[in-house]
Amino acid sequence: KAGVTQTPRYLIKTRGQQVTLSCSPISGHRSVSWYQQTPGQGLQFLFEYFSETQRNKGNFPGRFSGRQFSNSRSEMNVSTLELGDSALYLCASSLGYGTSGSYDEQFFGPGTRLTVL
Amino acid sequence: AQRVTQPEKLLSVFKGAPVELKCNYSYSGSPELFWYVQYSRQRLQLLLRHISRESIKGFTADLNKGETSFHLKKPFAQEEDSAMYYCALSGLGAGNMLTFGGGTRLMVKP
Repeated sequence: KAGVTQTPRYLIKTRGQQVTLSCSPISGHRSVSWYQQTPGQGLQFLFEYFSETQRNKGNFPGRFSGRQFSNSRSEMNVSTLELGDSALYLCASSLGYGTSGSYDEQFFGPGTRLTVL
Repeated sequence: AQRVTQPEKLLSVFKGAPVELKCNYSYSGSPELFWYVQYSRQRLQLLLRHISRESIKGFTADLNKGETSFHLKKPFAQEEDSAMYYCALSGLGAGNMLTFGGGTRLMVKP
């Protein structure tokens, strides 16, 4: 079974621009979560989508947004990029059918490395 | 607020030596705890979770609610255990929202 795929793998943008990252989950998975990984802050949860609805949200400014499509693919968007947004963005997918509020094993993608100049 | 702390950024041991990767957490309730591992040039993957009480690749971890710890242990380290290890927490009702520790790099020397 193919794993989680993320595109693009590398991206260079300048301050003030916006960027869209894409994540294709494992076939049959309906939950997609996004994480930001930086040397200073480590791995931080951004948001989770399930059946096209945002189910959980981390503590990030409104410049960070996401969406999920009917085929469970997800995109995240960062507007008005700042230097501090340079990071590895990880996507993780899971079946998503766990009992409400319970953890459901997530499978991570390789990440998209975003550099903001 | 929930928090996960891994006090050691780097742990270096010789092959065959015991390993203990420390993880402490703060959470006002009963969390679910996990260990994730990332081998060189591979993806982050789940190693074990406390509710399954399994031993994976010889690693075990016991949740100590009194000390709010979830240390990862292995009696005899192997070179292939060299990797980045992350402790993570999911709060009650938080579903897939994980709070990660800063990670510990384990180096097993021959």
